[in-house]
Amino acid sequence: AQTVTQSQPEMSVQEAETVTLSCTYDTSESDYYLFWYKQPPSRQMILVIRQEAYKQQNATENRFSVNFQKAAKSFSLKISDSQLGDAAMYFCAYRRSQGGSEKLVFGKGTKLTVNP
Amino acid sequence: NAGVMQNPRHLVRRRGQEARLRCSPMKGHSHVYWYRQLPEEGLKFMVYLQKENIIDESGMPKERFSAEFPKEGPSILRIQQVVRGDSAAYFCASSPGELGYTFGSGTRLTVV
Repeated sequence: AQTVTQSQPEMSVQEAETVTLSCTYDTSESDYYLFWYKQPPSRQMILVIRQEAYKQQNATENRFSVNFQKAAKSFSLKISDSQLGDAAMYFCAYRRSQGGSEKLVFGKGTKLTVNP
Repeated sequence: NAGVMQNPRHLVRRRGQEARLRCSPMKGHSHVYWYRQLPEEGLKFMVYLQKENIIDESGMPKERFSAEFPKEGPSILRIQQVVRGDSAAYFCASSPGELGYTFGSGTRLTVV
C-alpha cells in the first residue's frame, strides 16, 4: 500500500534560521509526483512545492527547497530564512495514479512553530 | 478568476440530519476531488469526479455518503443521517486534468 510518513509531529525554528521537515513514502510506481502543502490556521491548503520523480534535480521555490532521494524514498522540505508567516501545518503528499484514477495520499503533518 | 469556492464554511447538524456540502471548482477545471480531514490528521481521499461521472469513490464510506458533479452547478457531497463521527473538515480540490490541484478553504462539519 502506498503510504506517506512524516515522523516529526512538531518542529520549531527561530526566525531567520533554517529548518528541515522530513517525509518518507512507499510506492511501487516508477514515475510519480510529490508535494508539500502548507495549512495555516485559516485551514486553506496552499501548495508550497512540487517534485516530479523522473527529475533528478531538486525543486526550489524561493526560500523553499526539497531534498529528493528517490532510492531512499525520502522527500524532505527545507525552509531557509524562516519567517513568522511560515508557521503552519505542513503536509507531504504523494500523487497515486491507478486504473484511470488519481488521488493525493497525505502524511499526518508536521506543525511548524516559528519563534521571534 | 476566483479560486475553489466551498460553502458553507461551517455547518452544524444534529445527529440524524442531512448535510450538503458544495464545491464550485475553478473556472475551466473539470475534475473535482473531495477529501476529509479529521482532527490532528492529514487529508484522506474520498471521491474523484468529472462532469457527470464518478471516476473513483474508493474512499467513500459505503453507506450514507454520496457525491455528484452535475453538468451545471457545483459538486455536492451529501451525508445522510449524520453521526458524531462525521464531524470533520471536508475539502474540495479541482484540477484542469493536468497536475495543478487547487484546494478550497474547506467546510467544517460539526454534528451535535
